[in-house]
Amino acid sequence: EVKLLESGGGLAQPGGSLRLSCAASGFAFTDHVMRWVRLAPGKGLEWVATISGDGDTTFYADSVKGRFTISRDNSRNTLSLQMDSLRAEDTAVYYCARLTHYYFDYWGQGTLVAVSS
Amino acid sequence: IVLTQSPATLSLSLGDRATLSCRASQTGGNNLAWYQQRPAQAPKLLIYDASSRAPGIPDRFSGSGSGTDFTLTISSLEPEDVAVYYCQQGINWPLTFGGGTKVEIK
Repeated sequence: EVKLLESGGGLAQPGGSLRLSCAASGFAFTDHVMRWVRLAPGKGLEWVATISGDGDTTFYADSVKGRFTISRDNSRNTLSLQMDSLRAEDTAVYYCARLTHYYFDYWGQGTLVAVSS
Repeated sequence: IVLTQSPATLSLSLGDRATLSCRASQTGGNNLAWYQQRPAQAPKLLIYDASSRAPGIPDRFSGSGSGTDFTLTISSLEPEDVAVYYCQQGINWPLTFGGGTKVEIK
């Protein structure tokens, strides 16, 4: 059974940092591109960052470029998102998702990030 | 590619037929997916390749269209269908989502 389990969310101050993790199981982790997607209050789904199966290629939304870093540890089947210089507008539920072909067939349950002083 | 979903909100009665639209700014065959996000839940894949239901999805959900115009239809609205529905394009990176359509019960 495919499972994705996020952790690491919480309350951070503006300008602060958080590191999210996504533990993957039940599938060949290296075979799949992985993505972080967020849902901010009152907004729609927004893709945040994407990483190739081997970890060599990454993409970032303009809203987080230069502040967030996506990475993966294929030996531990773990996806990560290092979030620095956090802003109030980064407040959202963050989901990790598995890409198959061009669509996201499995999603984690999400972890809440709140940025506030 | 920009995906425009309409309407923003759909208010219907139980048993009604729901028709949700997704329009792409560029044509790209049938590489389009639909997701359902119920309140306080993770998104769930409903439809891929514009019209193929994901495993376990009830047959009251159907997708159609190609090119730039796509439709998600719920044939008979159930209480558990209250959710926001998103389309997502698979034509080019970064594989963007539409703005969503909220389906509520009147």
